[in-house]
Parts: sequence; C-alpha cells; structure tokens
Amino acid sequence: QQQVKQSPQSLIVQKGGISIINCAYENTAFDYFPWYQQFPGKGPALLIAIRPDVSEKKEGRFTISFNKSAKQFSLHIMDSQPGDSATYFCAASKGNAGNMLTFGGGTRLMVKP
Amino acid sequence: NAGVMQNPRHLVRRRGQEARLRCSPMKGHSHVYWYRQLPEEGLKFMVYLQKENIIDESGMPKERFSAEFPKEGPSILRIQQVVRGDSAAYFCASSQTGGSTEAFFGQGTRLTVV
Repeated sequence: QQQVKQSPQSLIVQKGGISIINCAYENTAFDYFPWYQQFPGKGPALLIAIRPDVSEKKEGRFTISFNKSAKQFSLHIMDSQPGDSATYFCAASKGNAGNMLTFGGGTRLMVKP
Repeated sequence: NAGVMQNPRHLVRRRGQEARLRCSPMKGHSHVYWYRQLPEEGLKFMVYLQKENIIDESGMPKERFSAEFPKEGPSILRIQQVVRGDSAAYFCASSQTGGSTEAFFGQGTRLTVV
C-alpha cells in the first residue's frame, strides 16, 4: 500500500520557470516531510524538509508548501536551472519511527536551457 | 568528514549466490537504515538498526534477507541465494538520533543478478 503519492512522474520546465511537484499522504501520524534530490548513479540528498506546525518553508530557490487538512505538500523550485535536472522524491516519517522514511514514487525533472 | 560509505558500488552475482553489502555510517551516527530502489521506482524501507540491535525489519522480505550492525565494523545487508528480482540499488542511510531528523544517504550498491 503506497502511503505517499507523488505527481507528476515527469516534468519538463524551461530555464527560469517554476517547477512544482506535489505529494499526498494518508497516515496522519506522519510528522516530518523531507524532499530529496537524486542525480543518476548517486544517493538521495536532502533538499529541504518541513514539519506540520508550519505551512511553508523556504530555502533559497526551494519552497515547501504544506496543507495539513488536505494531507498534501508540494515542492516549488523557483528560477529553475538546467543543473536542477534530477529526480525528486518526497518522503514522510513518524516521530517515533526514527528515519524510517516512506517515499513517493519520484518525479524526473528536466529543465531545458 | 566522510559521509556514509557503501561498498561495493557495483556487485554482480549469479543466481543462487550470496550478496553482501556493506555500509559504514557517518562518524557519530549510530542509527542505520537500508532501502531498496527498483529501476524507475522510489526507495522502499527495508530495515532499521542500531548497534547490535534490529529496531524494525518490517520492510525486509521474510526469506533470504538479513541485516546486522555489529558493535565494531560496518552494517551488513546479506542476501542469500539471490534471484533476478533482487537486482536493484540498495541504499544505506544513517542519522545521529532515532527521531525524525536528517538522514544522510550513501551512494548505494547496485546489485545485478545474472
């Protein structure tokens, strides 16, 4: 049973545009929502993370928007660059479950120059 | 300040052989997690270990798979009698605490079963 659903599966954006990736979760016990970036042949790297006590978190060009009532969260990449081309994964975990992350299926982002 | 180290990076095994994947967590990290990534899919949690203890193995297949994190040395993910369906990338992550905090991933071991 997939507990974190991610969309779209793939995304093509022009350089300078905004990339938006969405995730929805089912388990209301989740209290930590990270986004990971993965380049081919590499391990996932933490990009940005949010907890349910805030509705938005911004770090540079990356912003997470969180809607607790809808059980949804999204990643916005502003001024997208070709170097942002990678696969992005949302994830979620419960506070008492350590870092046992439940991942979404991933979004392959391509930023065209 | 080395990150999470996994070896080997690539491993080829014939059907029926054993595969041993090693993971050395970041310095100061005592919590280790193993994930499996099938081609074109997200990562799936397998097992969570602390030194000498398995905390949660709810994602581990019931047969042929085992994991350990001894007092000394790296964590080991062991797959016995490998089958073609075991071909995947296996990632290890480590964290400093057991709560919901940043987990750092290694570069993975890509297992190919021929």
